[in-house]
Amino acid sequence: EVQLVESGGDLVKPGGSLRLSCAASGFTFSNAWMSWVRQAPGKGLEWVGRIKSKTDGGTTDYAAPVKGRFTISSDDSKNTLYLQMNSLKTEDTAVYYCTTGRAARFDYWGQGTLVTVSS
Amino acid sequence: QSALTQPASVSGSPGQSITISCTGTSSDVGGYNYVSWYQQHPGKAPKFMIYDVSNRPSGVSNRFSGSKSGNTASLTISGLQAEDEADYYCSSFTSSSPHVIFGGGTKLTVL
Repeated sequence: EVQLVESGGDLVKPGGSLRLSCAASGFTFSNAWMSWVRQAPGKGLEWVGRIKSKTDGGTTDYAAPVKGRFTISSDDSKNTLYLQMNSLKTEDTAVYYCTTGRAARFDYWGQGTLVTVSS
Repeated sequence: QSALTQPASVSGSPGQSITISCTGTSSDVGGYNYVSWYQQHPGKAPKFMIYDVSNRPSGVSNRFSGSKSGNTASLTISGLQAEDEADYYCSSFTSSSPHVIFGGGTKLTVL
C-alpha cells in the first residue's frame, strides 16, 4: 500500500524558513517523480514544484510564485522528500501535500501538513 | 499562467448524471491527452479519479467517466450519490514550463 506522510508544518513569521518532509513507502521511491501541491484556506489546488527520479535526471522545476525561495530535494536512502521554504510570505499559508506522478498526473497524495505564515 | 476554467459549482439530484467541464487552450487540454481529475471531500486529501482524459485508476467506480472535445475536458458522474458531494479538480499537462496546470475547482452539491 502506498503511503505518503508529510510533517514539519508550523506557524512561522514572514521572512522565516521551514522544512517539510514526506516519508514514502509502498513503492519504489527512487524511480518516482515527486511533487508538492498546496492549497490555501478555502482555495483550490496549486502545484508548487517537483523532482524527477534520478534515472530521469533528478532535476527540479518550480511554480513561478515560489521559484528562488523554495527548494525540493529527496533522499532515496530514507525514502523521503523535502521542501525547504525560505523567505516565507503570508500568501504561502496553505496545506502542503506530497504527491507522486508525472505529466500532470498525481496518483497518490499524503494527508497534508499545514503551514501558517503570520506575524 | 492562468488556471484551467471550471464552473464554480454544479448540482444534481440522487440518481441523476452531471458533467463538470474543464476548459483550457490548445497548449494544454487541447494539445495533449494528459488530463486528470481529482475528488476532494472537506478536510481530506484529493483522490485521483481519472487519468489520460478517460482512464480510471483501479478501485474508482465506473460511475465516473472522462472525455475531451477540443480544448474542453469533461468529468461525468452518473447515478449521483450523496457521497459524491465534494470538490472536483482537473489538471493538465501544458507546453509551457513547468508543464503542470490545475483547474480552479468545482463544488458538486447533491440535492
